[in-house]
Amino acid sequence: QVQLQESGPGLVKPSETLSLSCTVSGYSISTGYYWGWIRQSPGKGLEWIGNIYHSGTTYYNPSLKSRVTMSVDTSKNRFSMRMTSVAAADTAVYYCARSGEMAAPFDYWGQGALVTVSS
Amino acid sequence: SYVLTQPPSVSVAPGQTARITCGGNNIGGKSVHWYHQKPGQAPVLAVYNDYDRPSGTPERFSGSNSGNTATLTISRVEAGDEADYYCQVWDSSSDHVVFGGGTKLTVL
Repeated sequence: QVQLQESGPGLVKPSETLSLSCTVSGYSISTGYYWGWIRQSPGKGLEWIGNIYHSGTTYYNPSLKSRVTMSVDTSKNRFSMRMTSVAAADTAVYYCARSGEMAAPFDYWGQGALVTVSS
Repeated sequence: SYVLTQPPSVSVAPGQTARITCGGNNIGGKSVHWYHQKPGQAPVLAVYNDYDRPSGTPERFSGSNSGNTATLTISRVEAGDEADYYCQVWDSSSDHVVFGGGTKLTVL
């Protein structure tokens, strides 16, 4: 069974860089699929951050594109996201998820990682 | 950018039918996916490609999509269906994934 698990610091200072990883088990990232990041601010809806294909091709939400970088590490079967210059508005639960293709749904999700931006 | 519009809330009595809409420009030309999310949990795929159900989704859940509106219909609503529901599409013109704002389903 496919499982995804987010990891990273739960607290980040304003203006610093947020880094999260998503380790995948039960499926080899190098085989295929798109791997995405979605976030949810407290009490708010879902916001797509971006997708990365197993080959490394990336697709970003235009509102976050200038601050986000995604990467894939097939040797560790995980993918990662970096968001620079964070602010309080970036406080959210960050989810990683899998999608068969860009038009496909996210069929497997991680449990989510709460990241708080605060000094 | 492409926008999906959902009603903030829908209320329904147990046993009745709930309809949650997702509006978007010519959304009928896109594949719509629906997720439900309960407090403190990750979203779960409920319906995909407009009307297909993953294993685990009850047959009470159905979807339709035409024109400018997609609809998730939940028949014979149960207390356990109370959750937030989100629609999602891929905007091919921009290669972006878009989520609706979400609808809170309350079972009275």
